[in-house]
Amino acid sequence: QVQLVQSGAEVKKPGASVQVSCKASGYTFTDYYLHWVRQAPGQGLEWMGWINPDSGGTKYAQKFQGRVTMTRDTSISTAYMDLTRLRSDDTAVFYCATALGEAYNWFDPWGQGTLVTVSS
Amino acid sequence: QSVLTQPPSVSGAPGQRVIISCTGSSSNIGAGYDVHWYQKFPGTAPKLLIYGNSNRPSGVPDRFSGSRSGTSASLAITGLQAEDEADYYCQSYDSSQSGVFGGGTKLTVL
Repeated sequence: QVQLVQSGAEVKKPGASVQVSCKASGYTFTDYYLHWVRQAPGQGLEWMGWINPDSGGTKYAQKFQGRVTMTRDTSISTAYMDLTRLRSDDTAVFYCATALGEAYNWFDPWGQGTLVTVSS
Repeated sequence: QSVLTQPPSVSGAPGQRVIISCTGSSSNIGAGYDVHWYQKFPGTAPKLLIYGNSNRPSGVPDRFSGSRSGTSASLAITGLQAEDEADYYCQSYDSSQSGVFGGGTKLTVL
């Protein structure tokens, strides 16, 4: 079955960078877009952007422009989300999710989530 | 401040029907973009509940239904069960080419 497995929890200091990985299995990696969504403690879901694993093309939410980079390695069916210049309000659970295409599509399935804690 | 507006909480007794609203604008739901719904339990990933406004993925009980009209959408849950107690999120697309979510609604089964 389609499965997304994310990397483990991270603790980072303000100003540092973090990379979260998302390994796909059970389908052809290049057939579906990968989206990233985060949820800060006590907050709702927030869309961050997508990567097209086939072309490598990306689209980022304006809020994260300049701080986020989404990449992929098709040889190991893995997508990556890098977030730089971390702040305390970046503390959140980050999810990857597949979709047929851009963000007007539904997201299914989702990875298990990766907690990133930003603290001095 | 989420682009799509949902009530923070709703509640109902077992067996009752509840409706969760999701209000957008002319740049997202009102522009004709589809609305999707997710169910989320604490500490777990969101699960797709309704896609394309009113379609249920395989395995989702028909107690869950969705609709869209104008700049709003709704999720209805009938025959409320204790296991339905969770957070529910709507999702759509904005003409700024961004995915957008509602702030989430906590459903309490009394």
